[in-house]
Amino acid sequence: GAVVSQHPSRVICKSGTSVKIECRSLDFQATTMFWYRQFPKQSLMLMATSNEGSKATYEQGVEKDKFLINHASLTLSTLTVTSAHPEDSSFYICSALPGLAGGNVASYNEQFFGPGTRLTVL
Amino acid sequence: KNQVEQSPQSLIILEGKNCTLQCNYTVSPFSNLRWYKQDTGRGPVSLTIMTFSENTKSNGRYTATLDADTKQSSLHITASQLSDSASYICVALSGGSYIPTFGRGTSLIVHP
Repeated sequence: GAVVSQHPSRVICKSGTSVKIECRSLDFQATTMFWYRQFPKQSLMLMATSNEGSKATYEQGVEKDKFLINHASLTLSTLTVTSAHPEDSSFYICSALPGLAGGNVASYNEQFFGPGTRLTVL
Repeated sequence: KNQVEQSPQSLIILEGKNCTLQCNYTVSPFSNLRWYKQDTGRGPVSLTIMTFSENTKSNGRYTATLDADTKQSSLHITASQLSDSASYICVALSGGSYIPTFGRGTSLIVHP
């Protein structure tokens, strides 16, 4: 149990276009999902916290108008990178925190990570 | 400020050998500490989770230790395999929060 998927796994796009990345919890409901980005040989950096049915909370320095987050259901959150530029090229990882209502209940507030999406902006 | 420091930054060992990775954390109040394995181009996968009262936990060939007094943890890998080549990330969580503090990871390479 506690499987999180991401789609797509890899995406290459032209500069100026928008890219949508999906994060799904497959066998549990997640009231909270997180979006991270990771540069080569660096640790995961939290971008934003996404709560179902409400606006996302962005970390300092992350542009909310550039990285649009929608958490429309208890099993799906999306990250849209708008007007992508080469410096947005990175590895984007989502994680999900199981909720108390239905599905598995996380112990220790454990987040379950998706497999990541490699974004390359040309 | 919550911090997690890992050492060494990278490590190369021969297949079959053992190794130990270190983690020092400054997280207050402390809730739990986890070790993750992250293969290249993949998301992190949990290896162990320990709370304040636990000082050792094993998962197959992986054994994690925790010293809450010195705020140190280690991950010991026994009889390493080629598939152990990955980044190992130490993550600490403070009480009352669900936002963890990540270490930068130790990159382990196992050579045949």
